Amino acid sequence: KAGVTQTPRYLIKTRGQQVTLSCSPISGHRSVSWYQQTPGQGLQFLFEYFSETQRNKGNFPGRFSGRQFSNSRSEMNVSTLELGDSALYLCASSLGTYNDNSPLHFGNGTRLTVT
Amino acid sequence: AQTVTQSQPEMSVQEAETVTLSCTYDTSENNYYLFWYKQPPSRQMILVIRQEAYKQQNATENRFSVNFQKAAKSFSLKISDSQLGDTAMYFCAFMNRDDKIIFGKGTRLHILP
Repeated sequence: KAGVTQTPRYLIKTRGQQVTLSCSPISGHRSVSWYQQTPGQGLQFLFEYFSETQRNKGNFPGRFSGRQFSNSRSEMNVSTLELGDSALYLCASSLGTYNDNSPLHFGNGTRLTVT
Repeated sequence: AQTVTQSQPEMSVQEAETVTLSCTYDTSENNYYLFWYKQPPSRQMILVIRQEAYKQQNATENRFSVNFQKAAKSFSLKISDSQLGDTAMYFCAFMNRDDKIIFGKGTRLHILP
């Protein structure tokens, strides 16, 4: 089975621009969650989608948004980029039902640099 | 290669008791970060506590504290006055200076009423 695929691997943008990141989950997984990882800070939860609906949301500003398609692929969008948005963005997929004991599977991430 | 080991797959304690979750890791690096994450039934990873390896003082966040023993490569999490809402999977994680994060297999914690 193919793992979680994130594209692109690297992105360089300038302040004020917007960016879209893509995540393809493991086949059969219906939940996709997004995390921001900054140096030394660990993972910060952005949001989670399940069956095309946002099910959980972290404490990030509205500039961060996402969506999920019927094939469970997910995109994350960041508008009006700020220097502080520079980070590694990770997505994780899982079966998605509560208490299903299935682990999260992480992609390799998209490293976004804002200049 | 770095590894993270959580030796307790599952634990149960009574509400209001104190519980300690174990974590050991292996690395040859000197500067790194350690984390404990909580994963409730809704599945997202929620950061509980963070420790920088170069700091000797143990991190504390309200009822959560760690016992960081760098020489022993041990990073246990203590939850005081446990609450029903603490029921979750807990993951220990290691992150090196290249931002590569490695998770343990998790400990399922049940807080019993």
